[in-house]
Amino acid sequence: AQRVTQPEKLLSVFKGAPVELKCNYSYSGSPELFWYVQYSRQRLQLLLRHISRESIKGFTADLNKGETSFHLKKPFAQEEDSAMYYCAPPPSGTYKYIFGTGTRLKVLA
Amino acid sequence: DAMVIQNPRYQVTQFGKPVTLSCSQTLNHNVMYWYQQKSSQAPKLLFHYYDKDFNNEADTPDNFQSRRPNTSFCFLDIRSPGLGDTAMYLCATSRSAAGIQETQYFGPGTRLLVL
Repeated sequence: AQRVTQPEKLLSVFKGAPVELKCNYSYSGSPELFWYVQYSRQRLQLLLRHISRESIKGFTADLNKGETSFHLKKPFAQEEDSAMYYCAPPPSGTYKYIFGTGTRLKVLA
Repeated sequence: DAMVIQNPRYQVTQFGKPVTLSCSQTLNHNVMYWYQQKSSQAPKLLFHYYDKDFNNEADTPDNFQSRRPNTSFCFLDIRSPGLGDTAMYLCATSRSAAGIQETQYFGPGTRLLVL
């Protein structure tokens, strides 16, 4: 089945350490994937999307076709990065629109 | 400026008592989605509207219905809530469903508790 997989439910890192949140996909071709973030008591919101090739809040994500991955990375984690992160495909009829199971990132002081 | 608004933010209902959740948007987006998010789980798509076209997910129970009277508003009706329907219900919009770059904009959610 076409889906995205986030293998880690919880990831704890110390402030200033690098962080990588894993996302693997099983779609064919080059899916245009998204990362959404949900901070405590806030609404789910877009963090970044593959098509934009952007860096948001120091986070980047690169689509690796060989590994079928779209991992989210940040070189130096901050405490305010603590949140729930979801990898998701775009809302297109081509894809089954299902969020990944999410990874809770905890950045420790 | 809130772009996707959900009312109420919290709703308590009794087992079997119908409940309606409301979502409105100021973005003039074509697509509106309803998700169910249970504690510590990812959002699960229930259905979505592309304009007036209703698209139900195969595993969405018949107990869940939706209405979209106009572009701005969309309602989620739970005809006979069960205890297992206790969850956060998220409304989202996107400009279209056809484009591959379409971001979804989420409302704050309605937390539903079924007693």
